[in-house]
Amino acid sequence: KQEVTQIPAALSVPEGENLVLNCSFTDSAIYNLQWFRQDPGKGLTSLLLIQSSQREQTSGRLNASLDKSSGRSTLYIAASQPGDSATYLCAVRGGIGMEPSGSRLTFGEGTQLTVNP
Amino acid sequence: DAGVTQSPTHLIKTRGQHVTLRCSPISGHKSVSWYQQVLGQGPQFIFQYYEKEERGRGNFPDRFSARQFPNYSSELNVNALLLGDSALYLCASSFGAYSYNSPLHFGNGTRLTVT
Repeated sequence: KQEVTQIPAALSVPEGENLVLNCSFTDSAIYNLQWFRQDPGKGLTSLLLIQSSQREQTSGRLNASLDKSSGRSTLYIAASQPGDSATYLCAVRGGIGMEPSGSRLTFGEGTQLTVNP
Repeated sequence: DAGVTQSPTHLIKTRGQHVTLRCSPISGHKSVSWYQQVLGQGPQFIFQYYEKEERGRGNFPDRFSARQFPNYSSELNVNALLLGDSALYLCASSFGAYSYNSPLHFGNGTRLTVT
């Protein structure tokens, strides 16, 4: 059974700081890994998608890396801003015993980020 | 283009009642998935549908059912509601059933409260 863990559960930083969010998964037989942002009471906004064959993806101030063999991913946020405050969720698609369709995402519990002005 | 739309946004039901949640995928997307997110936790997979057929089912009781219509919209039904069914129900769409390279796009969810 695929399990996803995110550390830390909560993080509070001053504006302008660079930060790293961590995600680990137990089964390395994944198709891809996706990072999401969730604002309170809202749905999920996709940030980055990394295929299993890729090492990293970048979008603006965000950079996500994937080490499939060790079951780890990191999300790096550069020059954090108060508007970055949200919960960040990591999700993997696939794993041994999962549906061939690959649509099932297994999520971590998220990291709640607060960026203070 | 409109994103994934869900209705209603909020719903309050009593234990034992039945509820129907609705989802319209992004235009051109043929796959719809449903997730349950209890407060403080990550979303849990409930179902995936593609071309009106169930392609995956999570570890949820038979009280949960879903279907997909010819226009690719979907309904999630929950019977005999329990207090523990209170959650944010999220719908996600993607282009195909085997679109490993396509990210899932989520709607804003339906907040269900069972009293």
